[in-house]
Amino acid sequence: QQQVKQSPQSLIVQKGGISIINCAYENTAFDYFPWYQQFPGKGPALLIAIRPDVSEKKEGRFTISFNKSAKQFSLHIMDSQPGDSATYFCAAKAGATNKLIFGTGTLLAVQP
Amino acid sequence: GAVVSQHPSWVICKSGTSVKIECRSLDFQATTMFWYRQFPKQSLMLMATSNEGSKATYEQGVEKDKFLINHASLTLSTLTVTSAHPEDSSFYICSARRDGYEQYFGPGTRLTVT
Repeated sequence: QQQVKQSPQSLIVQKGGISIINCAYENTAFDYFPWYQQFPGKGPALLIAIRPDVSEKKEGRFTISFNKSAKQFSLHIMDSQPGDSATYFCAAKAGATNKLIFGTGTLLAVQP
Repeated sequence: GAVVSQHPSWVICKSGTSVKIECRSLDFQATTMFWYRQFPKQSLMLMATSNEGSKATYEQGVEKDKFLINHASLTLSTLTVTSAHPEDSSFYICSARRDGYEQYFGPGTRLTVT
């Protein structure tokens, strides 16, 4: 119940295309859903986050879509660029705890 | 965003020795710090959570006598890998958070034990 399932494991997108990464969870106590971007040899960087009281949040080319009833959330990267090539992790946290539960990661490659 | 630093960024040590990794929150006071471990092409695994001035809480399966964590101040936490062995070779990442705010990650430390 503590898991966050992430798919796909890897993704290849053409420059200018839309990258979509999906995550699903079971624990209904989760109330904070961030996405992190990690480049090789670096720590994860917070990209965008959402709370379950909204269904969508957009920041620049990055959008989180959240479906509370389905217990799913996804990251959309519009107009994908080669510089977006990285590993993306979704995560979830329940308000009562300090712990972030990470998904398994998606390796995104944006081809020029 | 807030800045979290780690030192060193990479370290090589001989089997049986100990190595200390520092994590600092540079522009905020972190009430909670976290230590993660990441193997190649894998996700982050939480090792322990620490609050300033109190003992760290270790995740199940993490040896607290091997991975010593000290959170001496609101801006500094250290992870000491004692009697390191090659299987301890990994990417260690710290994270810091203050109550009610986001969690920020350090750049990571690559540990290689020979």
